[in-house]
Amino acid sequence: AQKVTQAQTEISVVEKEDVTLDCVYETRDTTYYLFWYKQPPSGELVFLIRRNSFDEQNEISGRYSWNFQKSTSSFNFTITASQVVDSAVYFCALSEGAGAQKLVFGQGTRLTINP
Amino acid sequence: DSGVTQTPKHLITATGQRVTLRCSPRSGDLSVYWYQQSLDQGLQFLIQYYNGEERAKGNILERFSAQQFPDLHSELNLSSLELGDSALYFCASRASREPRGSPLHFGNGTRLTVT
Repeated sequence: AQKVTQAQTEISVVEKEDVTLDCVYETRDTTYYLFWYKQPPSGELVFLIRRNSFDEQNEISGRYSWNFQKSTSSFNFTITASQVVDSAVYFCALSEGAGAQKLVFGQGTRLTINP
Repeated sequence: DSGVTQTPKHLITATGQRVTLRCSPRSGDLSVYWYQQSLDQGLQFLIQYYNGEERAKGNILERFSAQQFPDLHSELNLSSLELGDSALYFCASRASREPRGSPLHFGNGTRLTVT
């Protein structure tokens, strides 16, 4: 069965610090997809990134970067020079298999950026 | 704006009652997913519909049911409500023509409070 673990329940940093959110996953499939979603205080779930199991290239988008390592089954998310607006709950999610339908979410990491 | 519309935004009702949550997917999306977010269980997959037919079931209680109508909107019916059903209920959609493992696009959720 697929499983996603976000061991960090809460993280609090001061603005402009870099912060990394950890995500470890379990799957028996060779084809799977990993996602990160952001849930700001307003409550909606915002898609940030998708990565498939065949693409281990790291990705950078502005202050956000993602490090995918199949060897350690991890898909970590780093925010560089954090800002107060980055305060949110961040979820890592996994879908697997040929159908790759539903997403299984981790428990989420609540990130608080203090001014 | 994800393009997925959920109504109502908030719902307060008493134990034992029945409620209906409504979801309109993004234009053209055939798949609808329902998720429940509670403090203790996190984001849990409930059920998926594709073009009017049930495709996958998750941790959905027997007191809960859903359907997808010919115009592709979906309703989640919750009956014999209990205090523990208080949660944020999300609907998400995904286009059938998108590549496998494409992200789910979530609505803003319906916050249900059972008193």
